[in-house]
Amino acid sequence: SYVLTQPPSVSVAPGKTARITCGGNNIGSKSVHWYQQKPGQAPVLVIYYDSDRPSGIPERFSGSNSGNTATLTISRVEAGDEADYYCQVWDSSSDYWVFGGGTKLTVL
Amino acid sequence: EVQLVESGGGLIQPGGSLRLSCAASGFTVSSNYMSWVRQAPGKGLEWVSVIYSGGSTYYADSVKGRFTISRDNSKNTLYLQMNSLRAEDTAVYYCASPRSYDSSGPFDYWGQGTLVTVSS
Repeated sequence: SYVLTQPPSVSVAPGKTARITCGGNNIGSKSVHWYQQKPGQAPVLVIYYDSDRPSGIPERFSGSNSGNTATLTISRVEAGDEADYYCQVWDSSSDYWVFGGGTKLTVL
Repeated sequence: EVQLVESGGGLIQPGGSLRLSCAASGFTVSSNYMSWVRQAPGKGLEWVSVIYSGGSTYYADSVKGRFTISRDNSKNTLYLQMNSLRAEDTAVYYCASPRSYDSSGPFDYWGQGTLVTVSS
């Protein structure tokens, strides 16, 4: 089955740039989506189809996907960005939806 | 406005059964695929099951043969029948739906989740 690998944690100072990676075999050939989840809340879509932003998501959130790594980039990080972030793809070979293990973003 | 509201969670003994419901508004549950996603306490998201508009269903290996996804079009509600429950099924269960018909698309809409606790 397809596996997505994320770093367990990323720390960044306010105002700096956070980059959260999502590794997978030839993930560049798949569509990657990113979700933000704050404690006690349901996930919220922040990036879809690698780099598109839903309405209401700040332009500070961006995404890229190439080769074996997809990346969620959060510019000018704010305290309110502190959350868990998950990448997700659809594995067409198995008809499964796959989530990465999640990355806890800590704003120092 | 799209809304998904789950219900049916609770405390259940190992080996028991439970049926979760997800009432949808703002769209028709039969118009697109819908999924259940779960999250064990302190853990990440895990996809559980999907039902397509045509009725086809798929399950994660961890629940195959024990869980059944279905829908009632007249009630515009998605269900997850969970049998032979195990401690490792303890989780918050979310229903999730996309905006597009593309299986490779994102889950745009999520419910608030319902907690299932399997314990004696």
